[in-house]
Amino acid sequence: NAGVTQTPKFRILKIGQSMTLQCTQDMNHNYMYWYRQDPGMGLKLIYYSVGAGITDKGEVPNGYNVSRSTTEDFPLRLELAAPSQTSVYFCVTMGEPYGYTFGSGTRLTVV
Amino acid sequence: GNSVTQMEGPVTLSEEAFLTINCTYTATGYPSLFWYVQYPGEGLQLLLKATKADDKGSNKGFEATYRKETTSFHLEKGSVQVSDSAVYFCALSDLQGSSNTGKLIFGQGTTLQVKP
Repeated sequence: NAGVTQTPKFRILKIGQSMTLQCTQDMNHNYMYWYRQDPGMGLKLIYYSVGAGITDKGEVPNGYNVSRSTTEDFPLRLELAAPSQTSVYFCVTMGEPYGYTFGSGTRLTVV
Repeated sequence: GNSVTQMEGPVTLSEEAFLTINCTYTATGYPSLFWYVQYPGEGLQLLLKATKADDKGSNKGFEATYRKETTSFHLEKGSVQVSDSAVYFCALSDLQGSSNTGKLIFGQGTTLQVKP
């Protein structure tokens, strides 16, 4: 089935550790986005990409990095994890014919 | 910049009651407007959308009309069920706006609890 695959689904990190959240899509969508959702809050944009090789910062980029070497993959890198990065992370793509497609999310806890 | 404001929750209703969740937006150009629903422990699902003024989006008994004159996109349902209990997010997309990045901008979400 066409869609957005996020891995891992759950992760616990210790303060100062690093990790990469993976996002892969098979719909050939050019637009991809990373959002975080804090408890009781809406989704805030971390980084986005309008095509392979092109990325830009969103509303809350500090502490994160991204790359987009292929259309399919848009990994999100956390360096030096902090408790403030405890959140649920969603990868989203946009394009025809599906419109916006959400991944199932990665629930990250930093302790 | 673009923004979305939703009524604060939680909203608690009895089954079969009428639901309205208010949503207003600020945007340049002509954004598309969306309602998403999130059930506990799950991701966001598209509930309905509208892409131009006076469009009405509808799905599963929910409706919302794109009102450019009042910059609003209120969600309504005539008779709610317990299974409608969830968090509802209003959002806009700037794909047709000046920046053309397709970024979704979300409201803070409104929790709906329906009691039997």
